[in-house]
Amino acid sequence: EAGVAQSPRYKIIEKRQSVAFWCNPISGHATLYWYQQILGQGPKLLIQFQNNGVVDDSQLPKDRFSAERLKGVDSTLKIQPAKLEDSAVYLCASRYVGYSYEQYFGPGTRLTVT
Amino acid sequence: QQQVKQSPQSLIVQKGGISIINCAYENTAFDYFPWYQQFPGKGPALLIAIRPDVSEKKEGRFTISFNKSAKQFSLHIMDSQPGDSATYFCAASIEQGGYQKVTFGTGTKLQVIP
Repeated sequence: EAGVAQSPRYKIIEKRQSVAFWCNPISGHATLYWYQQILGQGPKLLIQFQNNGVVDDSQLPKDRFSAERLKGVDSTLKIQPAKLEDSAVYLCASRYVGYSYEQYFGPGTRLTVT
Repeated sequence: QQQVKQSPQSLIVQKGGISIINCAYENTAFDYFPWYQQFPGKGPALLIAIRPDVSEKKEGRFTISFNKSAKQFSLHIMDSQPGDSATYFCAASIEQGGYQKVTFGTGTKLQVIP
C-alpha cells in the first residue's frame, strides 16, 4: 500500500511570495489533514477535509492560507503572501473513516521563508 | 481545555534502560490517546494507542500507562535501543460533529546512547 505522498519536499521563498504544497492521500482514505509543525513543537492542525468538504478550519489563518481538495482525493495548501513565521514543516495526513483512529502522515514539506 | 502537556522536552537514556515520557490533559471528553514516533525528515507514525477505559496497554517493548482520575498518561520504552532515538509525541483525540480532532503534545526528543 502506497503511503501519503507530498511535494515538494523542500521549498525556500522570500517573504511576501506565494507557495503551494501538494498532497496525495492513501487510496480510500476519506479524511485528509494539513498540519503545521514548527521546529521543536508538535503538529498543529490547520484544516481537515472529509471527502472534499471542510470539517474544521478553525486554526487556518484564512487571510493568507487556503486549501482545497478536489474530487475528494488530492489536496493543495497555499500560502499567499508568506511571512517569516510561516517557516515550518507542513504535514499532510490521511485516515480511513472507520473504527481505527490512526492517521497516516506523509514526509512533509519543509518551508523556509527568508 | 484542548491542550496536552508533555514532558520532558528531551531525554537521554542508556541502552537497555527504561525511557519514560509523561503527558497530561484537561478535557475529559478526549476518547483516544495515541503516541506517535517521528524520525528526522519523516512524518510522525503511530506507535501505540489507548482508550480511556483501559489502564495499560503493552505492545512489545512499548507500554502506555493511563490514569483517568489524574488525567495523565505515559509511555514506557523498556530495554531502550539506539534505534529508538526519535521524537515522541503524545496526543489526545475527541470526536466532534462526526469527525475526529487530534491535539498533539509538544514532543520529547529521545536519545539512546550505547
